[in-house]
This record gives sequence, C-alpha cells and structure tokens, in this order.
Amino acid sequence: DQQVKQNSPSLSVQEGRISILNCDYTNSMFDYFLWYKKYPAEGPTFLISISSIKDKNEDGRFTVFLNKSAKHLSLHIVPSQPGDSAVYFCAASVTGTASKLTFGTGTRLQVTL
Amino acid sequence: DARVTQTPRHKVTEMGQEVTMRCQPILGHNTVFWYRQTMMQGLELLAYFRNRAPLDDSGMPKDRFSAEMPDATLATLKIQPSEPRDSAVYFCASGLSALAETQYFGPGTRLLVL
Repeated sequence: DQQVKQNSPSLSVQEGRISILNCDYTNSMFDYFLWYKKYPAEGPTFLISISSIKDKNEDGRFTVFLNKSAKHLSLHIVPSQPGDSAVYFCAASVTGTASKLTFGTGTRLQVTL
Repeated sequence: DARVTQTPRHKVTEMGQEVTMRCQPILGHNTVFWYRQTMMQGLELLAYFRNRAPLDDSGMPKDRFSAEMPDATLATLKIQPSEPRDSAVYFCASGLSALAETQYFGPGTRLLVL
C-alpha cells in the first residue's frame, strides 16, 4: 500500500516556465513533508520541507504548498532552469525524523531549452 | 568536502550468492540509514543506526538481510542468499541527528541479481 504517491512519473517543462510537481498521501497522521532532488548516479539531496502547521514554505525559486484537507502537496519551481532536471521525491513523516520517512516513487523533471 | 561513500557502486551477481555493500558515513555523524530504491516502491528504509546501535530494522527482510556497524567509520549491509527481487539501488545516508533534513545520502550501490 503506497501511502505517498507521485502519480506523474515524468514532467517536461520549458526553461523559464513554472514546474509543478505533485504528491498525494493517504495517512492523515503525517505531519511533516519533504522534497528531495536526485541527479543520476547520486544520492537524493534534501530540497525543502513543510510542517503541517503551515500551508506554504518558500526557499528561493522553490515553494512547497500543503493542502491538508486534500492530503496533497506540491512543489513549485519558478523559473525552471536546465539544472533543475532531476528526479524529485516527496516524503512524509509522522514525527519529522528520518527514521519514519515514507517516500513516493519520484517524478522525473526535464527542463528543456 | 565531506561525503558519504559507498562501495561497490555496481554489483552484478547470481542468485544465491552473498552480497556485501559498504558505507563510510561522514566523519562525526552518529546516525546511519540504509535505504532501497525500486521503481515500484520508491525509497524504503531498511535499517537505522544511532551511535552504531541498530534502532530500527523493521523494513529489512530478516531471513536474508543483515546490517551492522563494526565501527563508527563503516556500515555494512549483507544479503545472503541474494534473489532477483533484491535488484535495486541501495543508499546509505548519515546524519548528526534523526532529523530528516540533516541526512546526507551516498551515491548508492546498484545491485543486479541474475
């Protein structure tokens, strides 16, 4: 049973446009959410997080939105750059600790020129 | 700069063989995690160590998988006997605490069991 779902395996966006990556979850106990970025042949790196007490968190070009009633979060990248091309994983936690992270299957973002 | 290192980077083996994957955490980090990435499941936590002691290995198939930290600079993940369904990328991550944001992932070991 996949508790964290990323239903779009891939996404292609033009450079300069907005990239929107989506993530849905089923466990209402999740209270902390994270996005990771992964380049080929490298491990994931932490990108941005959000606590369930907030509905938005922004860091430069990256913004994460959380809709608790819909059990949905999204990552917005504006403007998208070619270096953003990577696989993005969302993850959810009950306690905010790494030992309790549940990951999605990832979305591959391709930013084209 | 400090990085988590993993060896080997790639491993091809036959079903039934023992596989050992190694991880060198970042010096000074006291938490170590092993993850497995598959296309169907994404990243799954297999085991979690703090100060070399195993705290959670509930995600690991106990009959064939084992994880240890012989010392603070080495974590190992063994599969014996290996099966084709074990084919995946195995990541090690280390951190200064259990907080997810403080984890640093290694580059992974890509395992193929024929």
